[in-house]
Amino acid sequence: EAQVTQNPRYLITVTGKKLTVTCSQNMNHEYMSWYRQDPGLGLRQIYYSMNVEVTDKGDVPEGYKVSRKEKRNFPLILESPSPNQTSLYFCASSSAGGPNEQFFGPGTRLTVL
Amino acid sequence: SQKIEQNSEALNIQEGKTATLTCNYTNYSPAYLQWYRQDPGRGPVFLLLIRENEKEKRKERLKVTFDTTLKQSLFHITASQPADSATYLCARRNTGGFKTIFGAGTRLFVKA
Repeated sequence: EAQVTQNPRYLITVTGKKLTVTCSQNMNHEYMSWYRQDPGLGLRQIYYSMNVEVTDKGDVPEGYKVSRKEKRNFPLILESPSPNQTSLYFCASSSAGGPNEQFFGPGTRLTVL
Repeated sequence: SQKIEQNSEALNIQEGKTATLTCNYTNYSPAYLQWYRQDPGRGPVFLLLIRENEKEKRKERLKVTFDTTLKQSLFHITASQPADSATYLCARRNTGGFKTIFGAGTRLFVKA
């Protein structure tokens, strides 16, 4: 089954404790992206990757890091989480070349105390 | 900066009626506008895409229009059903298709 998976689905942590949210897709997509979703603000793009070893900032990259060492994986790293990073996070992937639909993961609900 | 604006107020309609949702954008026209459906606690699911040079696109009970003069896209669901109740998101993607800007979404309630 074609899908995007994220782990963990739920995470409660404390300020400053480094964490990683994993994202994996099995569709051989070139493009992957991370979003955060907050009430009233909608989905905001954090980082995206056009292919292996190629990443770029979205609209809200501060406080986040990403890497794309393999085509199928695109982890999101919070080196020193803060309470304002409490949010619902989504990973998405799509094939390259044009406006192709994005496939979204199930989401990771993160709470930073 | 580029923005996507959707009506933040929920839309309540009766089953069988046509639901019409609005998406307005600022600055230059995006190469593409996409519409997604999102159910509570789940990731968005792609519904339809319309290109800048297209005026209308249809898929089953769904119809999307793109008016570059008004800087607006309309999303219609005809013969609406309670199962259509969800949040609908509009997104713009530029040429190259990498950077994506989403609207905050409009919540639709269809009453039986």
